[in-house]
Amino acid sequence: DQQVKQNSPSLSVQEGRISILNCDYTNSMFDYFLWYKKYPAEGPTFLISISSIKDKNEDGRFTVFLNKSAKHLSLHIVPSQPGDSAVYFCAASAYSGAGSYQLTFGKGTKLSVIP
Amino acid sequence: DGGITQSPKYLFRKEGQNVTLSCEQNLNHDAMYWYRQDPGQGLRLIYYSQIVNDFQKGDIAEGYSVSREKKESFPLTVTSAQKNPTAFYLCASSTDRGADTQYFGPGTRLTVL
Repeated sequence: DQQVKQNSPSLSVQEGRISILNCDYTNSMFDYFLWYKKYPAEGPTFLISISSIKDKNEDGRFTVFLNKSAKHLSLHIVPSQPGDSAVYFCAASAYSGAGSYQLTFGKGTKLSVIP
Repeated sequence: DGGITQSPKYLFRKEGQNVTLSCEQNLNHDAMYWYRQDPGQGLRLIYYSQIVNDFQKGDIAEGYSVSREKKESFPLTVTSAQKNPTAFYLCASSTDRGADTQYFGPGTRLTVL
């Protein structure tokens, strides 16, 4: 049972336009959400995060929006650049007992930014 | 430079052999993690450790073992009991202060022939 879902396996966007990547979750205990960017055969790179007490967090061209009532978050990239082409993973954190937190990852969305 | 290193980048082994993947970090992080990624899949947690000499099973621990003798090091052994060991293995670390960002190493591609 997937607790974190990225329903779009791929997305193509023209350079300069907005990229919107979506993520849905089912576990209401998730309280911290992250987006990672990953190139093939490399480790994921942390992009941006948001706490459940916020509904928006912005960092340069990247903005993450959180809608807790809908259990939905999205990553906006404006403007999109060819170097943004990668797989983007959504991850959610929940307390797992004994003082530890675990991340649950979606399956990823492959973003292609077309020059 | 602070970071996480994994070695080797590519590893080949014959079926039935145990193999150990290395993970070292100099970020002074308390918590370390091992994930596995398969094509078209997200990252799945194998084992994690919050402090030295202590570790817990993740979602897919069967066929794997770990040790945490030093804060900086968290090696993963893929045993012959792991039925589908060919995958991309990722190590991560974080502070142990509540929910916190995990930072990843470059990964090791293990291929079992």
